[in-house]
Amino acid sequence: GAGVSQTPSNKVTEKGKYVELRCDPISGHTALYWYRQSLGQGPEFLIYFQGTGAADDSGLPNDRFFAVRPEGSVSTLKIQRTERGDSAVYLCASSPTGTSVGSEQFFGPGTRLTVL
Amino acid sequence: QKEVEQNSGPLSVPEGAIASLNCTYSDRGSQSFFWYRQYSGKSPELIMFIYSNGDKEDGRFTAQLNKASQYVSLLIRDSQPSDSATYLCAVLNTDKLIFGTGTRLQVFP
Repeated sequence: GAGVSQTPSNKVTEKGKYVELRCDPISGHTALYWYRQSLGQGPEFLIYFQGTGAADDSGLPNDRFFAVRPEGSVSTLKIQRTERGDSAVYLCASSPTGTSVGSEQFFGPGTRLTVL
Repeated sequence: QKEVEQNSGPLSVPEGAIASLNCTYSDRGSQSFFWYRQYSGKSPELIMFIYSNGDKEDGRFTAQLNKASQYVSLLIRDSQPSDSATYLCAVLNTDKLIFGTGTRLQVFP
């Protein structure tokens, strides 16, 4: 596709359930990022992949959050035992190369997660 | 102190005026700076990036960077109602973007 895609666009779940959020980056982009955005705030970094490996997962809030990118393209963010405080818009972004100066990150439409 | 600070606004300007959006950052070693526009309910869209001191112009948009003052700004000339959105300032920290909370811009006819 032309841009970053994310599925589902909306996810409603109950407290304690497990959810998976999917991101399909721009073709050929080696770098992939997950951010979380709460109402009235800027996006907050969660994790960065360069290829298949998680190069920086310092933003993951706790061990309930985990992400994978097994083939260096599609990524899945997994949240176990969801809590109401996990409710937010989860944004995925991709970049051609990653950390070089001037490298642009392109965002997907996001997944709005609501935990009841 | 937050790493990236912006006035939340709203900043209201009349159509045709210049809108000036400001951002300060705390990490003196930061190298790359980005402005994103975010319409309500949508994802951030990159407007410009800048990494050298001075001005960078792209159409109606001008980004200004002053590393000594740790200050970056975005000027929007000939503001249009369609420019009404939240503008996010972001700083590249090693491998991730650190965002401000955004400034809401309202352009009224």
